[in-house]
Amino acid sequence: ILNVEQSPQSLHVQEGDSTNFTCSFPSSNFYALHWYRWETAKSPEALFVMTLNGDEKKKGRISATLNTKEGYSYLYIKGSQPEDSATYLCASPPYGQNFVFGPGTRLSVLP
Amino acid sequence: DAGVTQSPTHLIKTRGQQVTLRCSPKSGHDTVSWYQQALGQGPQFIFQYYEEEERQRGNFPDRFSGHQFPNYSSELNVNALLLGDSALYLCASSLGTGTSPYEQYFGPGTRLTVT
Repeated sequence: ILNVEQSPQSLHVQEGDSTNFTCSFPSSNFYALHWYRWETAKSPEALFVMTLNGDEKKKGRISATLNTKEGYSYLYIKGSQPEDSATYLCASPPYGQNFVFGPGTRLSVLP
Repeated sequence: DAGVTQSPTHLIKTRGQQVTLRCSPKSGHDTVSWYQQALGQGPQFIFQYYEEEERQRGNFPDRFSGHQFPNYSSELNVNALLLGDSALYLCASSLGTGTSPYEQYFGPGTRLTVT
């Protein structure tokens, strides 16, 4: 059974702080890693899709890296803003199968 | 361009009842997946519909069934509701090619409460 883990479960940072969190997944049978940002009462929003070991993606102040050999991905937020407050989900679907999500990291950015 | 829409937004049912949730995919998408998110957990895959047929199924009992219509919209039906079925139900649409890493676009969810 594929198990996707995320840490920490929740995180409180001050506005302007940079932060990062982790998604761990089984490295065998890896196919892709997806990051989503989910604000309360809204739809989860896709941030990144990564497939190659060493992939690095960036979107504004948010970036992500991927290590498929050791089975982890980091999501970084530089200079956190209150509007970054959300739950960040990762999912790692094996080839030809549907998404397996981690439990999420809930980020609160305090003004 | 409307994204993924779901109805209703909230729903309260009693144990033993049946419920139907609805989803309209993003324009141009032909595949719909359903997920259940219980409190404190990530979304759990229920099943996926493509070309009006169930293509994949997660570890959910037969009380959970679905349907996809010719216009690609979809319904999730849950029979004989249990208290443990209380959750947020998410619908996601994608362009089905049979393989990942397709991008899935999510609706805002339907919050089901079973009393």
